[in-house]
Amino acid sequence: AQSVTQPDIHITVSEGASLELRCNYSYGATPYLFWYVQSPGQGLQLLLKYFSGDTLVQGIKGFEAEFKRSQSSFNLRKPSVHWSDAAEYFCASGGYNKLIFGAGTRLAVHP
Amino acid sequence: SQTIHQWPATLVQPVGSPLSLECTVEGTSNPNLYWYRQAAGRGLQLLFYSVGIGQISSEVPQNLSASRPQDRQFILSSKKLLLSDSGFYLCAWSRSGGYNEQFFGPGTRLTVL
Repeated sequence: AQSVTQPDIHITVSEGASLELRCNYSYGATPYLFWYVQSPGQGLQLLLKYFSGDTLVQGIKGFEAEFKRSQSSFNLRKPSVHWSDAAEYFCASGGYNKLIFGAGTRLAVHP
Repeated sequence: SQTIHQWPATLVQPVGSPLSLECTVEGTSNPNLYWYRQAAGRGLQLLFYSVGIGQISSEVPQNLSASRPQDRQFILSSKKLLLSDSGFYLCAWSRSGGYNEQFFGPGTRLTVL
């Protein structure tokens, strides 16, 4: 069965530092992959998506993600984190008419 | 452009009372519609999804039900709420057919006392 794993439940970084959030998927064929962000008390916002083509995907808010088939990974990166990036981040894999979500990574940003 | 609405934004209900949460989508037709729940500090749990009017798929057996009376309206209901029904309820939509991204509403915070 398709699954998505986010190994890190909580991550804390300093403002201005770089960020990498990990995501691993299990799927036999080429997956459809997504990253969402959720601020407290809000809905989820789509940051970026990968369907095919270039394995480095650019998203909103300065985020990017790289699809690595050999590692079954789709890690999210940002070169310099802002305090407003503190939120929960969800990786998801596309199933037919459904998405399979990871458990989420909560990001805290220290000033 | 498409927009998705949920109401109410917050709700406090006693145990055993009924529930009705509503979700509507504008700017698209024949969307797939989804209900998710987030318990405190937990991830997203898919409750129901619908690919068309009157078509409901249940992912988790529980005392909740869903209905889709119109193309862009999705309702989550319960006849008798339990304490364990407390949580943050999210509605989402996607284009029909295939492996599409979902777009989420602002959510409803439900507290059952």
